[in-house]
Amino acid sequence: QVQLVESGGDVVQPGRSLRLSCAASGFTFTSYGIHWVRQAPGKGLEWVAAISYDGSNKNFADSVRGRFSVSRDNSQNTVFLQMNSLRVDDSAMYYCAKERLPGMRDYFDSWGQGTLVTVSS
Amino acid sequence: DIQMTQSPSTLSASVGDRVTITCRASQSISRWLAWYQQRPGKAPKVLIYKASTLETGVPSRFSGSGSGTEFTLTISGLQPDDFTSYYCLQYSSDWTFGQGTKVEIK
Repeated sequence: QVQLVESGGDVVQPGRSLRLSCAASGFTFTSYGIHWVRQAPGKGLEWVAAISYDGSNKNFADSVRGRFSVSRDNSQNTVFLQMNSLRVDDSAMYYCAKERLPGMRDYFDSWGQGTLVTVSS
Repeated sequence: DIQMTQSPSTLSASVGDRVTITCRASQSISRWLAWYQQRPGKAPKVLIYKASTLETGVPSRFSGSGSGTEFTLTISGLQPDDFTSYYCLQYSSDWTFGQGTKVEIK
């Protein structure tokens, strides 16, 4: 079955960097786009970033563009979210999610359990 | 960027009630809309995609409708398990969630 496992969440100071990982299994990883979605405590869902199945296309929310980057290692079935210049309002649970159909821009049909990022001095 | 306006933010209802949640898009998204249910402390779970297609395994009391800029999620006959939060997601141009609706017990 599809499994997505996030890791790398931590408590960091404003202005510092953090890299999150999303390890995937149970599907043909090289065929699917992967997204990052975050949720601040008590708040709603916010789409953050996406990377296409082959890594050639990357999209970012305005709130993180220029500070966050996304990459994937198809040999390790892993997607990374590099977060630089972190701000207090980046504090959230970060989920990775898989697109439903291969090679397409689609909705998300599988999610990980999330990893918590806290930005605080 | 496409903005999604979801209403109401909170909805009070009783077991057995029929409830409707609305999402409005700032521009036409055709039928590229999904609905998610999220329980506290858990990842979201998709209920409906392409505005009205029920995801496999989702009870038939959930239904979706709409196209263009206005969409609705209807739950016909609320069950105790349904008192939680719901979000719409547009995937026509990038991806945008609605602000969410919490369905609480009246």
